[in-house]
Amino acid sequence: DTGVSQNPRHKITKRGQNVTFRCDPISEHNRLYWYRQTLGQGPEFLTYFQNEAQLEKSRLLSDRFSAERPKGSFSTLEIQRTEQGDSAMYLCASSLLNYGYTFGSGTRLTVV
Amino acid sequence: AQTVTQSQPEMSVQEAETVTLSCTYDTSENNYYLFWYKQPPSRQMILVIRQEAYKQQNATENRFSVNFQKAAKSFSLKISDSQLGDTAMYFCAFMRTAGGTSYGKLTFGQGTILTVHP
Repeated sequence: DTGVSQNPRHKITKRGQNVTFRCDPISEHNRLYWYRQTLGQGPEFLTYFQNEAQLEKSRLLSDRFSAERPKGSFSTLEIQRTEQGDSAMYLCASSLLNYGYTFGSGTRLTVV
Repeated sequence: AQTVTQSQPEMSVQEAETVTLSCTYDTSENNYYLFWYKQPPSRQMILVIRQEAYKQQNATENRFSVNFQKAAKSFSLKISDSQLGDTAMYFCAFMRTAGGTSYGKLTFGQGTILTVHP
């Protein structure tokens, strides 16, 4: 297992388009997290899953954002009707039940 | 809600010297973990060191150590014998726990950019 994998690494999209990102966690990790990081800032929590259940969602996660983890393995984060303010790095991480996050390299989204 | 504050946007240090990065946090919880993460330019976030709040002894990992002052809600990171590879953004982070199980979510500070000069 080579760690947490995120695809694509970079995405440029036009305002109003929908985008979807994928995260493949470390296989034995039952928790999966999504964070958003804007330039020069710390990551902000968006949501997390334990197995396939979405246990917590931030109020940052507007109704344009949806995340799924259908079989408790990989996860997708979809942003509908993208806005320029959605431009950021989207980080995925996974862990076992306790601490011990492993982060992916992120997907950088640019909305033009 | 928890907040984490890093009051030093940027720090610099000469190679082989020691530098301390500051972090304060605010919480009403009694059980939690604190972390320092390192994010090199254009690379993924990696864990530097972890401290359990119930432990009075400060955590140490090779050249990295913390000064954890629970009453003052302070959690500073000391890097000894700084190396060029330590150049990165450093984030302090907080995680609530209960009964040894984490609540999952990390709350990060704003980060401190550390530059190590040769």
